[in-house]
Amino acid sequence: GQNIDQPTEMTATEGAIVQINCTYQTSGFNGLFWYQQHAGEAPTFLSYNVLDGLEEKGRFSSFLSRSKGYSYLLLKELQMKDSASYLCADMDSNYQLIWGAGTKLIIKP
Amino acid sequence: IAGITQAPTSQILAAGRRMTLRCTQDMRHNAMYWYRQDLGLGLRLIHYSNTAGTTGKGEVPDGYSVSRANTDDFPLTLASAVPSQTSVYFCASRAGETGELFFGEGSRLTVL
Repeated sequence: GQNIDQPTEMTATEGAIVQINCTYQTSGFNGLFWYQQHAGEAPTFLSYNVLDGLEEKGRFSSFLSRSKGYSYLLLKELQMKDSASYLCADMDSNYQLIWGAGTKLIIKP
Repeated sequence: IAGITQAPTSQILAAGRRMTLRCTQDMRHNAMYWYRQDLGLGLRLIHYSNTAGTTGKGEVPDGYSVSRANTDDFPLTLASAVPSQTSVYFCASRAGETGELFFGEGSRLTVL
């Protein structure tokens, strides 16, 4: 089967660190994507992991464990503009993306 | 560089009417996709095209059709709109099998 789970909503404080988790169960796996989506806008690409481990890109990092079917997105030094939904998606054996419902991140001053 | 252009950005439609959402990309990407996004649900794939001249069904294809006459254009047609098709529709493209998706700005459709 194909299932992506991520928390519906999270709240964090400006300047802090937040970790958004994602678990997946996909028959066939070709990588894990994270996208950011501000309200009323299109999703934009953040990261792609296909091998285990942590990939860092500025304030954002993404981690993958294929054996555990688990990924997380780590956001450091949170800014108000980071308030958005964060979408986790895994790529199945047909190279199609299976999307989670997204995690709405609320940043408070 | 425009990327992906969708039209219209917003539309209110009476049930039973025919509607075509337009999508054009200028990146010469082979693969194109149509998704719908509904509150509390992830993006769901309606139809896709891996290359010009070919199309395939996604997770929720019923009530929708697509065509891919050339590389740049990938219109989505609702033959007879129903209220359950009220949603935000995103067109997307990517260069290769494992590349990132580039999204259009979305078309908000309301069927009454």
